[in-house]
Amino acid sequence: KAGVTQTPRYLIKTRGQQVTLSCSPISGHRSVSWYQQTPGQGLQFLFEYFSETQRNKGNFPGRFSGRQFSNSRSEMNVSTLELGDSALYLCASSLSTVGGGNEQFFGPGTRLTVL
Amino acid sequence: ILNVEQSPQSLHVQEGDSTNFTCSFPSSNFYALHWYRWETAKSPEALFVMTLNGDEKKKGRISATLNTKEGYSYLYIKGSQPEDSATYLCATIQGAQKLVFGQGTRLTINP
Repeated sequence: KAGVTQTPRYLIKTRGQQVTLSCSPISGHRSVSWYQQTPGQGLQFLFEYFSETQRNKGNFPGRFSGRQFSNSRSEMNVSTLELGDSALYLCASSLSTVGGGNEQFFGPGTRLTVL
Repeated sequence: ILNVEQSPQSLHVQEGDSTNFTCSFPSSNFYALHWYRWETAKSPEALFVMTLNGDEKKKGRISATLNTKEGYSYLYIKGSQPEDSATYLCATIQGAQKLVFGQGTRLTINP
């Protein structure tokens, strides 16, 4: 079974631009969660989508948004990029919601650099 | 404010020795605790999902225990091998139904 895939793997943008990251979950998984990893803050939860609905959202500004499609693929968008948005963005999929005690499987991440 | 703490932050262990580290979390509104292993240049890999007080789980040489009443979990590695070198993360789900991660314990196994 193919694992979680994320595209692109690396991205360089400038301040003020916007970016869209994509995540394809493991086949049959209906929940996709997004995380931001920075050296200072560690892994922080962005949001979780299940059956095309946002189930939960972390403490991030409204510039961070996401969506999930009917095939469970998910995208996250960051508008008006700031230098502090430079990070590794990880997505993870699970059969059902994380709150239900389901194991998560992580993708390789997208490394975003904002100049 | 929810706070998941892991100790120690880093650990150096001789190959063949056993080791353990701790994840502490608020004991109220507990739903589940996850342990992950994150090797450099790889994705975090799920080790255990634990939900019940007193849970003990084992995978090969790695095991974990959970005490939800006092708010801690221990991860044990028996007979450490170089391939065990990684950052070990714990994360809890409490109340708000979202995972909150600790800062991790960076484990280095010296051959």
